[in-house]
Amino acid sequence: GESVGLHLPTLSVQEGDNSIINCAYSNSASDYFIWYKQESGKGPQFIIDIRSNMDKRQGQRVTVLLNKTVKHLSLQIAATQPGDSAVYFCAEIIQGAQKLVFGQGTRLTINP
Amino acid sequence: DARVTQTPRHKVTEMGQEVTMRCQPILGHNTVFWYRQTMMQGLELLAYFRNRAPLDDSGMPKDRFSAEMPDATLATLKIQPSEPRDSAVYFCASGLAPGVGTGELFFGEGSRLTVL
Repeated sequence: GESVGLHLPTLSVQEGDNSIINCAYSNSASDYFIWYKQESGKGPQFIIDIRSNMDKRQGQRVTVLLNKTVKHLSLQIAATQPGDSAVYFCAEIIQGAQKLVFGQGTRLTINP
Repeated sequence: DARVTQTPRHKVTEMGQEVTMRCQPILGHNTVFWYRQTMMQGLELLAYFRNRAPLDDSGMPKDRFSAEMPDATLATLKIQPSEPRDSAVYFCASGLAPGVGTGELFFGEGSRLTVL
């Protein structure tokens, strides 16, 4: 069935360190994945996406890795900054369904 | 600066009252989604539209919730009668259908509903 979940609900890292947020999905028919960032009191904001025909995609300070064999997705944030503190959601689009299904979210806290 | 606009930002009402939330999607976007966010359930998909036609509203309690798109610039989510368990933040998002654009959804700031 449709299920997108996250390994850890909270993650704390030191400012300047790299962080890795993980996500597991269960539907092998999912062909498109997106990471969103949600700051307090705001709507989710697009960070980066990846299609199922790729295993890695890089943006500015962020990298998304996709391992279809184990149905695992990760978001790496390099040199974290205080502004990176937020809840991060992975989301998937299931081929043919055309709807975006979100996981539970991971709260990332950056310690000074 | 194009953005999704939602009204009201905050709404406090009493159980049994009708609540209507409105959303103005980004001009040119052909998909509109309604999500509900609570601490317990995260972001739940309630309904979504493509080219103003409802594609899926299976996540929505049919007896009290209704979603419509009277025109391309307005989407509405109505709850009648409202119940305390409906208290949540309701997000509207718009985008281009996957395969047409990136699939990215642009979210509004949300409507925080409290039902007493």
